[in-house]
Amino acid sequence: KAGVTQTPRYLIKTRGQQVTLSCSPISGHRSVSWYQQTPGQGLQFLFEYFSETQRNKGNFPGRFSGRQFSNSRSEMNVSTLELGDSALYLCASSLNTRGERPLHFGNGTRLTVT
Amino acid sequence: QKEVEQNSGPLSVPEGAIASLNCTYSDRGSQSFFWYRQYSGKSPELIMSIYSNGDKEDGRFTAQLNKASQYVSLLIRDSQPSDSATYLCAVNWKTSYDKVIFGPGTSLSVIP
Repeated sequence: KAGVTQTPRYLIKTRGQQVTLSCSPISGHRSVSWYQQTPGQGLQFLFEYFSETQRNKGNFPGRFSGRQFSNSRSEMNVSTLELGDSALYLCASSLNTRGERPLHFGNGTRLTVT
Repeated sequence: QKEVEQNSGPLSVPEGAIASLNCTYSDRGSQSFFWYRQYSGKSPELIMSIYSNGDKEDGRFTAQLNKASQYVSLLIRDSQPSDSATYLCAVNWKTSYDKVIFGPGTSLSVIP
């Protein structure tokens, strides 16, 4: 069974630009969560999608948005990039959204904003 | 109070010793708890999940949960240099539609 696939692996952007990251979950998994990981803040929850609906959102500005398609693939968009957006962005999928549901992570997208 | 807290590291143990990693959480309604291991430059991987009070053993790993104390721990017996990594405690946050919240992580170094 293929794991969670994130593309691209690396991105370099300049301030003010926008970026779109992609995540394909494990087959059969309907929930996709996005996290931002930085050395100072650790793993911070961005949002979660299930059946094309955003179920949860973390404490990030509106520049961060996402969506999920009918095949459960998800995209995350960051507009008007700032230097502080440089981070590893991780996508994780799970079968559902309740209780006993381990997350399965992709390899991440390393975003550098210059 | 932070949502999920872990004992500050880095934690260093000699090879063959027991490593003890601790985690507390503030959501009294949470029911599902996970330990992830993250090697430098890699993404987190699940090593243990626990949902009931008490101990759960899997090989050299034992997870312990005490919901009344809002405390979960991970013991690694016979620690190996390959166990050197950052260990992340994660909690399914019941009061916020089950979003999974991670602690800051504890860096473990096993010295040969």
